[in-house]
Amino acid sequence: KNEVEQSPQNLTAQEGEFITINCSYSVGISALHWLQQHPGGGIVSLFMLSSGKKKHGRLIATINIQEKHSSLHITASHPRDSAVYICAALSKGNQFYFGTGTSLTVIP
Amino acid sequence: GAVVSQHPSRVICKSGTSVKIECRSLDFQATTMFWYRQFPKQSLMLMATSNEGSKATYEQGVEKDKFLINHASLTLSTLTVTSAHPEDSSFYICSARGFGYGYTFGSGTRLTVV
Repeated sequence: KNEVEQSPQNLTAQEGEFITINCSYSVGISALHWLQQHPGGGIVSLFMLSSGKKKHGRLIATINIQEKHSSLHITASHPRDSAVYICAALSKGNQFYFGTGTSLTVIP
Repeated sequence: GAVVSQHPSRVICKSGTSVKIECRSLDFQATTMFWYRQFPKQSLMLMATSNEGSKATYEQGVEKDKFLINHASLTLSTLTVTSAHPEDSSFYICSARGFGYGYTFGSGTRLTVV
């Protein structure tokens, strides 16, 4: 069993739709990262969370420490949001555990 | 914000040759650099961790003589894939961490060995 589980694996949405990607983890963490990997492969860090909720533009990330669960929401999705979104749990020992990613395609 | 530059972004090499991948922190001192490998449709897998001026620590199953890591300065780490073979074809990505800075990822290198 992976330490970090993401769902769904693949997601197709119409432009404008509200999108939610879920992440559950089993390790004790110091922080939870959400990463975006573009089709070319480059990775951008979207959020680092240790509690509560963060918002940046149309992106919102939440975390529930007690339930070991985090969600990434995209409001008013756009084709340029098409990418792979990766949940990464940073353990208290400073080791990253990565989810397998959610491949998002937003159709115009 | 913190930026990590990784070069080259793509490289094709012949089997048996060596390839060097560079990872530079542009606006901060990276005390620790991490090298990952990613196979298609899979998670990133940590290959090794390097601290400036020290030998790299390799994860189990990663051949240190095959994947040479050098972290000679606080802004540069290199990964050299020696005597590359087609099974080494993969996506390699670095990440850097410095005092007061979180984890910043490079843009990755797609290696194809023919």
